[in-house]
Amino acid sequence: AQTVTQSQPEMSVQEAETVTLSCTYDTSESNYYLFWYKQPPSRQMILVIRQEAYKQQNATENRFSVNFQKAAKSFSLKISDSQLGDTAMYFCASDHSGGGADGLTFGKGTHLIIQP
Amino acid sequence: DTGVSQDPRHKITKRGQNVTFRCDPISEHNRLYWYRQTLGQGPEFLTYFQNEAQLEKSRLLSDRFSAERPKGSFSTLEIQRTEQGDSAMYLCASSLGPREDYEQYFGPGTRLTVT
Repeated sequence: AQTVTQSQPEMSVQEAETVTLSCTYDTSESNYYLFWYKQPPSRQMILVIRQEAYKQQNATENRFSVNFQKAAKSFSLKISDSQLGDTAMYFCASDHSGGGADGLTFGKGTHLIIQP
Repeated sequence: DTGVSQDPRHKITKRGQNVTFRCDPISEHNRLYWYRQTLGQGPEFLTYFQNEAQLEKSRLLSDRFSAERPKGSFSTLEIQRTEQGDSAMYLCASSLGPREDYEQYFGPGTRLTVT
């Protein structure tokens, strides 16, 4: 069975700082996707960033970037210049079907708090 | 594109009652997923539809749970004889597939409280 582990239940940083959320996963598949989703308080989950396992280049989306270490099965999220609106639960998730032909496997989440 | 919608947003029911939730995916999305999220946990996969065909069911989906997606459009999730352990947020997501840049778009969820 695939597993996703987020070892930081909660993190707190000051506005404008950089923060890194960690995630490790386990899979026997060679073609898979990894995601970071953001769930703000009482609001729906939205995609932050996606990484295809066959791509060696780390994905970036504006202030968000990942450090994808395939051999180590590690997928961390870096948020630069953090903003108050970044306060949310962040979930790491994996798709081992090769593109949506199955449900995602989620970690337990990291509660990120951005302090003013 | 109005996003994924779910109805109702909140449901309180007594133990033993049946409940039904509805999910309307993004209109052109052929894939639809149901998840359950309990407090302090990440979502757990329940079941997956491609068009009207239910292709995958998690072992979490006991015999009391049933899901349908008639005509490949909206979907319903029914829980029969609810138990207190069914209290959770039920999330629906949809996606286009297969495609390289796919992502699952989530709805706001239905929060179920079983008393």
